[in-house]
Amino acid sequence: GAVVSQHPSWVICKSGTSVKIECRSLDFQATTMFWYRQFPKQSLMLMATSNEGSKATYEQGVEKDKFLINHASLTLSTLTVTSAHPEDSSFYICSASDVEVGRIRRDTQYFGPGTRLTVL
Amino acid sequence: GENVEQHPSTLSVQEGDSAVIKCTYSDSASNYFPWYKQELGKRPQLIIDIRSNVGEKKDQRIAVTLNKTAKHFSLHITETQPEDSAVYFCAASGGYSSASKIIFGSGTRLSIRP
Repeated sequence: GAVVSQHPSWVICKSGTSVKIECRSLDFQATTMFWYRQFPKQSLMLMATSNEGSKATYEQGVEKDKFLINHASLTLSTLTVTSAHPEDSSFYICSASDVEVGRIRRDTQYFGPGTRLTVL
Repeated sequence: GENVEQHPSTLSVQEGDSAVIKCTYSDSASNYFPWYKQELGKRPQLIIDIRSNVGEKKDQRIAVTLNKTAKHFSLHITETQPEDSAVYFCAASGGYSSASKIIFGSGTRLSIRP
């Protein structure tokens, strides 16, 4: 099946620093990628929708200047948490979907393994 | 926008019994309803999904039903096993496009008692 990877799998940083998380579709081209945040014992909350070659669409309440998203190619999207603070500590998960018919279903999202961010 | 509600938040069943998780959605345009299983610290795994042109779908011990009129959908797990213990999320997605965002329910923590 379709594979999505994330890097790093975990990161610890000091308050005030920036952290970049990469999301890659390994065996398909992802025209759209999604970024989610999941706090302990809570659901996945959609942060933004990332379309290749255009600006990301952020969900209400998500600061676009704090969570920078870049989808520069059909296989890579990055999320940069700028000036991270302890309250940004969370599990960040990306997913990718594709319009290709056949093996990859049109409306299925394939999730990455997640990145656990801890801000000290 | 879409709002998905999920019940119960926790569910404990005896091994071998059935488990049922129920969800409702608010946007009548939603037409894709996936269910995910998430183990601690892992990514969500798609276990079954249903589209709005189908009322029921079954895959071995797992079945999902959809009532479009009432905007309800449910997950049924029969003959539960210890490995079914996890958090389950329902979700809804609207529009005919693979770019449709998926909105998740709040999750159900399922525990299987031996």
